[in-house]
Parts: sequence; structure tokens; C-alpha cells
Amino acid sequence: HLQESGPGLVKPSQTLSLICTVSGASISGGSNYWSWIRQPAGKGLEWIGRMYTSGSTNYNPSLKSRVSISIDTSKNQFSLQLNSVTAADTAVYYCARQKSYYDSSGYTYYFDSWGQGILVTVSS
Amino acid sequence: SSELTQDPAVSVALGQTVRITCQGDSVRMYYPSWYQQRPGQAPVLVIYGENNRPSGIPDRFSGSSSGNTASLTITGAQAEDEADYYCNSREVFGGGTKLTVL
Repeated sequence: HLQESGPGLVKPSQTLSLICTVSGASISGGSNYWSWIRQPAGKGLEWIGRMYTSGSTNYNPSLKSRVSISIDTSKNQFSLQLNSVTAADTAVYYCARQKSYYDSSGYTYYFDSWGQGILVTVSS
Repeated sequence: SSELTQDPAVSVALGQTVRITCQGDSVRMYYPSWYQQRPGQAPVLVIYGENNRPSGIPDRFSGSSSGNTASLTITGAQAEDEADYYCNSREVFGGGTKLTVL
């Protein structure tokens, strides 16, 4: 089970900070990618980035200069920071667990668990 | 290309079969997964890998992939299947397909 938390309103040019609390699984166990995905109203899903259990990160190139994902294993949480926000960053933000495996079909990645989502509005 | 292309909208008569497709180069590299999203809800995984369904997903949902095209098939569509469907290949999402059950 994943649960997002954080401010629902952020002013333009400030930093959006969200936390995802993981329950029912250890955030430092297994081969998981702890991920953030967002969805503007009426639009599709956009992958923001992820952190592997080893601590390595990958970010959407379009957001890379503004985004940071980190993990707090003591609290079983991971977090998202998005700097210099504008109205275009207004969206529902989801945290999710991505798993992967390799077999005869090749590599498979999938998001098997999602938070309920949190609406973040960027406005003054 | 890192894009995945889906038809924006598809309709199906109740009880009939519908196929939703997803095209892109990343499908060749990573086996796609499929998500159902009902209004106001978080996405739910329905298919991953070579036609694997998570627990609780009805067996009317199936998946396949060939070359740069992946497909989600619903055999005997139900009213509750009306939703948006997204394909995903690692970090790339398709634009989504709105399924209407008539």
C-alpha cells in the first residue's frame, strides 16, 4: 500500500515536495523501482522518475533539471522534489512501485502498486 | 523514438471483443504493461509481460505483442470495462485510449 502526502497548493517558482509512505513492504527490500508519475487534469500519464533500491535514480529528461527523488529507509518513505514550479506542473501526482524481470520474452517492467494520488495546484 | 501511440478512443458493443493497440519502438525493447483507469481513480495494472494478469483481473483481459505493436484485448466487454487504458514500456506511457462500452 502506498500513500502520497504533501501540500495541495504551491506558489509559482517555489518547490513542490511530496512524500510517499509505503506500508506492507520494506522499501529497501527486493528489486523495486520507487516511482513518481503525474497526470494533468484531462490528460495522460507522465513518468517523472524513479529510484532503485540501490539508490540509483532515473529522471524524465524533460524534468531532469528540476526534479529529485530520495528515499528514507528508516521511515519506509520516498519523496519527490520539483523545483521552480509553474502552472504547467499542476497535476495529480502518483507514487508507484515498479517491478521488473527478465525471461525468454525479454525485459518486462510494470507498476504493480499505486497510491491514490494527490492533487497539487500551482497558483499564487 | 521514445513515444507510444494509442488510438484516442475506441468503442465496443456490450459482450463483444475489442482490441486496443499501442505502437512504438520501446515496445521492441521492453515488454509492455497495461493499466485501466476509471474516472477519479488511480490506474490499475491489468496486463504485464507476456499476457500475465494480476490477481483479481478477469480473464477476459489478455495481452500480446509483435514487433513494435502491443495489444490489449477484452473478450466479452462488460459495462464496468468502460475506462481509459494506458500502455507502458518501462518509463514511457502511451497517450491513453478511452474505451466506451455501448
